[in-house]
Amino acid sequence: KAGVTQTPRYLIKTRGQQVTLSCSPISGHRSVSWYQQTPGQGLQFLFEYFSETQRNKGNFPGRFSGRQFSNSRSEMNVSTLELGDSALYLCASSLVGAVYNEQFFGPGTRLTVL
Amino acid sequence: DAKTTQPPSMDCAEGRAANLPCNHSTISGNEYVYWYRQIHSQGPQYIIHGLKNNETNEMASLIITEDRKSSTLILPHATLRDTAVYYCIVRVEGAQKLVFGQGTRLTINP
Repeated sequence: KAGVTQTPRYLIKTRGQQVTLSCSPISGHRSVSWYQQTPGQGLQFLFEYFSETQRNKGNFPGRFSGRQFSNSRSEMNVSTLELGDSALYLCASSLVGAVYNEQFFGPGTRLTVL
Repeated sequence: DAKTTQPPSMDCAEGRAANLPCNHSTISGNEYVYWYRQIHSQGPQYIIHGLKNNETNEMASLIITEDRKSSTLILPHATLRDTAVYYCIVRVEGAQKLVFGQGTRLTINP
């Protein structure tokens, strides 16, 4: 079974631009979560989507948004990029309803804002 | 979510058992202990989880104290590939959000 895939793997943007990152979960997984990882703040939860609905949201500004499609693929968008948005963005999927819902992480998208 | 406390770094010799401690003194009765690890620049990888009984799988063993206020992850025969940051997380079963602390940076030395 293929793992979680994220595209692109690397991205360079400039301040003020916007960016869209994509995540394809493991087949059959309907929950997709997004995390931001920076050297200073570590791994922080952004939001979680299930059945095309955002169920949980972390403490990030409204510039960070996401959505989920009917095939469970998810995208996250960051508008008006700031230097501090440079980070590794990780996506994780899980099989909701299982005995325990282990989260499977993708390799991440490394975003650099110049 | 309950918070966890882990030592920032540890070293272990290759072939020896690596014992990683975690303190979770405020854990609630319905919260599980999960361990993930992150090898440099990769996504975190699930290792093991438990509620109150000791658990073992092909990767590791998890020992939870009787009062559930602390636990230890044991890698029985550490290899160089086990060098990673190890995260101890407590969360309610079914909750999707993982709250990561700073973890323990484990270095396996040849």
